[in-house]
Amino acid sequence: DADVTQTPRNRITKTGKRIMLECSQTKGHDRMYWYRQDPGLGLRLIYYSFDVKDINKGEISDGYSVSRQAQAKFSLSLESAIPNQTALYFCATSPIAGPYNEQFFGPGTRLTVL
Amino acid sequence: GENVEQHPSTLSVQEGDSAVIKCTYSDSASNYFPWYKQELGKRPQLIIDIRSNVGEKKDQRIAVTLNKTAKHFSLHITETQPEDSAVYFCAASRSNTGKLIFGQGTTLQVKP
Repeated sequence: DADVTQTPRNRITKTGKRIMLECSQTKGHDRMYWYRQDPGLGLRLIYYSFDVKDINKGEISDGYSVSRQAQAKFSLSLESAIPNQTALYFCATSPIAGPYNEQFFGPGTRLTVL
Repeated sequence: GENVEQHPSTLSVQEGDSAVIKCTYSDSASNYFPWYKQELGKRPQLIIDIRSNVGEKKDQRIAVTLNKTAKHFSLHITETQPEDSAVYFCAASRSNTGKLIFGQGTTLQVKP
């Protein structure tokens, strides 16, 4: 089945370290998104990309960067991790066809910054 | 900026009772309103959505209503079952942006 996958699924790191979270999809979707989930705050958009040459900031992009290496791959980097970036991170994809598009989520990456 | 407020943050009901979760959005140009369910340890998945040209949509035990004038939309679950226990997220979007703005989430507990 076509799917969205994320690696790693869990990561513990230390303050100041550089971390990369990877997302791959076999759905053939053009649009990809990175969210973080914190209790009581819902899902907040970090970055999104509508094709390989398109990168856009979301509502909480400070401290993060992304790379869209191919249609199927979208990576999120924390250049210098800090403890308040401890969260559950989700990648999502969406097809470009049609105006009302469901987003399909990956399984999530639980990141802990000590 | 764009904002979606969701209430309540937690909801506990007895099995068989109904549950209602409410959301309010700020962007009057929003025209797509999906609801996602996230079971414990799992990814969010779409359960129902509504577009601004309709006021209500039903799918078996779940229904969503939309009041564009008041900028409210609600999720209704009837005859709740323990497997309905999860976190529910509402979201709003303008169709030409491709972005969803999510509410804060509601943790629903259905007690057997």
